Amino acid sequence: SAVISQKPSRDICQRGTSLTIQCQVDSQVTMMFWYRQQPGQSLTLIATANQGSEATYESGFVIDKFPISRPNLTFSTLTVSNMSPEDSSIYLCSVRDRGAHYEQYFGPGTRLTVT
Amino acid sequence: GDSVTQMEGPVTLSEEAFLTINCTYTATGYPSLFWYVQYPGEGLQLLLKATKADDKGSNKGFEATYRKETTSFHLEKGSVQVSDSAVYFCALSEEYGNKLVFGAGTILRVKS
Repeated sequence: SAVISQKPSRDICQRGTSLTIQCQVDSQVTMMFWYRQQPGQSLTLIATANQGSEATYESGFVIDKFPISRPNLTFSTLTVSNMSPEDSSIYLCSVRDRGAHYEQYFGPGTRLTVT
Repeated sequence: GDSVTQMEGPVTLSEEAFLTINCTYTATGYPSLFWYVQYPGEGLQLLLKATKADDKGSNKGFEATYRKETTSFHLEKGSVQVSDSAVYFCALSEEYGNKLVFGAGTILRVKS
């Protein structure tokens, strides 16, 4: 399975600022995903990021708040914009390997606290 | 839409006890089913999967069988260890879809 790293691993940010989270994969993958895990909760898909096309956002998530870039087949970024305390969560990227039967592999996550 | 329902936790067991975590799903078509595990302070790891009815996924002593007739995918282990303490998530992937739908997660605590 692919090895996925994320930066930063954690951060504490001020209300109203923005944070960009990086996701790096050790092999080329077609599909990358960004999830949010609010404290004590399950995972919710934010968007799907395919290289060479606009990200596809799930209901309740918008590009102005969570802009995503996917410049190549091994890298993606998620920006959390104009942050509020409600954005305090773990943000995880995942990938679906080529040929994998729909399973996804996850990065270690970025733990964000907004004060 | 598709959904996954897991038994509520936390589940607290003594070491070497038998574990069952119930998972049922609602989906159109024929989804693939997964169990993921999240150890404290870590990301999610794929524990096991099943892609069609009656498939049994297994890994590290854990097992789950895809039961289409009862729309279930219950996780079992015969003898748990303290190191199994984690949060367990049941998930499905829609047939022909890209999205993973997760259950709420079940906290497992194993006491020595």
